[in-house]
Amino acid sequence: EVNLVASGGADVQPGGSLRLSCATSGFTFEDHTMHWVRQVPGKGLQWVSLISWDSETTQYADSVRGRFTISRDNSMKSLHLQMNSLRSEDTAIYYCAKDKGSRIQPPLYTFDIRGQGTMVTVSS
Amino acid sequence: SYELTQPPSVSVSPGQTARITCSGDELGRKHISWYHQRPGQSPVLIIYQDTVRPSGIAERISGSNSGNTATLTVSATQAIDDGDYYCLMWDSRTAGYFFGGGTKVTVL
Repeated sequence: EVNLVASGGADVQPGGSLRLSCATSGFTFEDHTMHWVRQVPGKGLQWVSLISWDSETTQYADSVRGRFTISRDNSMKSLHLQMNSLRSEDTAIYYCAKDKGSRIQPPLYTFDIRGQGTMVTVSS
Repeated sequence: SYELTQPPSVSVSPGQTARITCSGDELGRKHISWYHQRPGQSPVLIIYQDTVRPSGIAERISGSNSGNTATLTVSATQAIDDGDYYCLMWDSRTAGYFFGGGTKVTVL
């Protein structure tokens, strides 16, 4: 069974930094693109970022580009999100997600969101 | 950026059919996914590539996509179908994913 456990969320002041992590199991991590998705409690979903299986390709939502950096460690089967210059509008639950496609098949342009996510609160 | 428009809410009687739309420019040319989120839970993928159900998703859930509108159809609705539904698409021009605003489905 696929397990994705996000951690690292905390209360932080505006302008501060935070590093989120996602521990994974139950699938061949190094074969899959991975994503971060966020959700303000009670509001809608927003895709944040993706990283390809080999870390060669990263993409970001306009609202976080230049402030957030996604990375992965295939040896540790872990995903990370370095969040700098945090703003109040970054307050959300952050979920990690596994791309449904893999490096050995055509892209499926979708992903599975698993786990309860980790809460980031940016407030003074 | 890309705008995906969903109705804020849909109400349906148990056993009836709920249809949730997702509208956007030339959406029929994109690959659409749908997620269902129950209160307090993380979203679950229920349709991808417009019409494909992941393993474990009931056959009474189906999707279509044509023109500027994608539609999720939930037949024979039950209380477990309550919750929020979100459409998702990949925009190759911006190399980003976009969610619709979500539709709250109430089965009553």
